[in-house]
Amino acid sequence: KQEVTQIPAALSVPEGENLVLNCSFTDSAIYNLQWFRQDPGKGLTSLLLIQSSQREQTSGRLNASLDKSSGRSTLYIAASQPGDSATYLCAVRERDDKIIFGKGTRLHILP
Amino acid sequence: GAVVSQHPSWVICKSGTSVKIECRSLDFQATTMFWYRQFPKQSLMLMATSNEGSKATYEQGVEKDKFLINHASLTLSTLTVTSAHPEDSSFYICSGARNTLGYTFGSGTRLTVV
Repeated sequence: KQEVTQIPAALSVPEGENLVLNCSFTDSAIYNLQWFRQDPGKGLTSLLLIQSSQREQTSGRLNASLDKSSGRSTLYIAASQPGDSATYLCAVRERDDKIIFGKGTRLHILP
Repeated sequence: GAVVSQHPSWVICKSGTSVKIECRSLDFQATTMFWYRQFPKQSLMLMATSNEGSKATYEQGVEKDKFLINHASLTLSTLTVTSAHPEDSSFYICSGARNTLGYTFGSGTRLTVV
């Protein structure tokens, strides 16, 4: 059974710092991996999608990498801003179309 | 881009009543729609998978008679919480698969049962 783990569970960093969020999954037979942002009480915003054949994706200050063989992905946020404060969720899509979510990393950027 | 419209965004209901949540894919056909719920400070958990024109598949521990899912068309899936109780208060969200483009999620419904 696929399990997705996100470390750390919570993170507070001063504004301007670069940071890395980690995601690991137990079964490497995935279709793709997606990083989402969730603001309190809100829905999900897709940040980056990495197909199983890809190694990384970039969007603005965000960079996500995928090492499928080792079951790991990282989300790198450059020059963090207070507006980046949110919960970041990692999710893998399995070949039966199910998505398995991690529990998320609650990020707080200190002004 | 593809959009999934979910309504209502929030609802308060009395214990014992039923609540219906709708998800519509506005510009793509969603043969499969997934329903998730999220309790405070916990991860999103898959409740059920609905396929157009057939019965939904429920995850272990989810009561199919309590959470009725209908997927009558390629653009509409509904979740009805029957005889709601306070412990059903949660954040419910749907998503439709867009092939290799990943998933598109609805904006979620905050259900509060009083």
